Amino acid sequence: AQSVTQLDSHVSVSEGTPVLLRCNYSSSYSPSLFWYVQHPNKGLQLLLKYTSAATLVKGINGFEAEFKKSETSFHLTKPSAHMSDAAEYFCVVSVVFGNEKLTFGTGTRLTIIP
Amino acid sequence: DVKVTQSSRYLVKRTGEKVFLECVQDMDHENMFWYRQDPGLGLRLIYFSYDVKMKEKGDIPEGYSVSREKKERFSLILESASTNQTSMYLCASSLQVDGYTFGSGTRLTVV
Repeated sequence: AQSVTQLDSHVSVSEGTPVLLRCNYSSSYSPSLFWYVQHPNKGLQLLLKYTSAATLVKGINGFEAEFKKSETSFHLTKPSAHMSDAAEYFCVVSVVFGNEKLTFGTGTRLTIIP
Repeated sequence: DVKVTQSSRYLVKRTGEKVFLECVQDMDHENMFWYRQDPGLGLRLIYFSYDVKMKEKGDIPEGYSVSREKKERFSLILESASTNQTSMYLCASSLQVDGYTFGSGTRLTVV
């Protein structure tokens, strides 16, 4: 079985300050991990993914995440928040057995304060 | 670009009605999925399909069924809609684990 826990349902940061969205995962096997973003009234967009290569993963729009096996974490960070980053973010885990399905976290709503 | 198209953006149905949600993808993907999204619960998998005429239950299949008669089309069916099925429904398709593409969603309200 696999699961993810997003530790904060809502995060607020000021524009220009760092962003940290926290995610812990649980998986019986080596996982693939993803972050998706959903802007208001828009579809889900893949930000970045980890699939057992480099542990520090760079994504779109300046986001990155670090896979830490010892801590079972995959936190999403960005050095400087922009107003356009306001959205809901989902941490996702997948285990591949020939075919795959994704298991989503409950989401973190990111608010940017001008 | 891969496109996943959901036929309706908004839908209002009455309790007890049979409801069909349609999803079509244009990239010959084998895998298709139906999720529902509710505030505070994230996305939960209802059903998925790895091939034509093949279906598997996800985490919350109760009250739903699916149909996959053609590779490009995956339909979600609510046999008798109930108010607790009011939700945002998202369809996705993929060829491999990093190829998930989501549709824009159908917001269903059951009154």
